[in-house]
Amino acid sequence: AQKVTQAQTEISVVEKEDVTLDCVYETRDTTYYLFWYKQPPSGELVFLIRRNSFDEQNEISGRYSWNFQKSTSSFNFTITASQVVDSAVYFCALSDPGGATNKLIFGTGTLLAVQP
Amino acid sequence: ETGVTQTPRHLVMGMTNKKSLKCEQHLGHNAMYWYKQSAKKPLELMFVYSLEERVENNSVPSRFSPECPNSSHLFLHLHTLQPEDSALYLCASSQDGTSRTQQYFGPGTRLTVT
Repeated sequence: AQKVTQAQTEISVVEKEDVTLDCVYETRDTTYYLFWYKQPPSGELVFLIRRNSFDEQNEISGRYSWNFQKSTSSFNFTITASQVVDSAVYFCALSDPGGATNKLIFGTGTLLAVQP
Repeated sequence: ETGVTQTPRHLVMGMTNKKSLKCEQHLGHNAMYWYKQSAKKPLELMFVYSLEERVENNSVPSRFSPECPNSSHLFLHLHTLQPEDSALYLCASSQDGTSRTQQYFGPGTRLTVT
C-alpha cells in the first residue's frame, strides 16, 4: 500500500536559518510522482514541485531545493535562509498511478514556524 | 477570477440543515476533486470527477452528495451532517485525471457542524 510519512510535526527556526523537511514514502509501483505543497494560513494548497520517479536529479528553485533518493525512498525539502513568509504547513504527496484516477496520498504535514 | 475558487469560505450549520459548497475552476481543466482536511489527519480524497463523470467515490457517507454539472463547476451537497464532519473542505482541479498532472487547490471552505 502507498503511504507518505512526514515525521516532523512542527519545526521552529529563526529567520535566515536553513531548514530541511523530511518525507519518506512507500510504494510498490515503479512509476510514480512525488509532490510538495505549501499551505499558508489562508488555507489554499500551493503547488511547489512534482518529481517523476525516474528522475533522481536534485532540483533547486531559488531558496528551495529538493533531494530525491530512491534508495531510501525519501524526498526531502530544504529551505535556505528561511524567511517569515515561509511559515506554513508543508505537505509531501505521492501519486497513485496504479489507480484509475489521479489520486494523491498525502502525509500529515509539517508545520514550519519561522521566527523573526 | 483566476485559479480555483470556493464559496462560501466559512459555513456553520446544524445537523438538520441542508447546504451546498461550490467550487469553480478557471483553468480549463477536465478533472475536479473534493478533499476533506481534518485536524491532525492527512488530506482525504472524497470524490473525483473526470470530464464530468464521477470516477472515484472514496467510501464517503451518503450525507455528502457531489454534483458536477460541467467541467468548470463542482458542488458538494450536505445534509444531516455530524459534528465529526467539521473540517476544511478543499476543491482541486487538474488538466486531466492522470497522475502526471499536478492538482491546483482552492482556498477551502471551513465547515463547522453544531
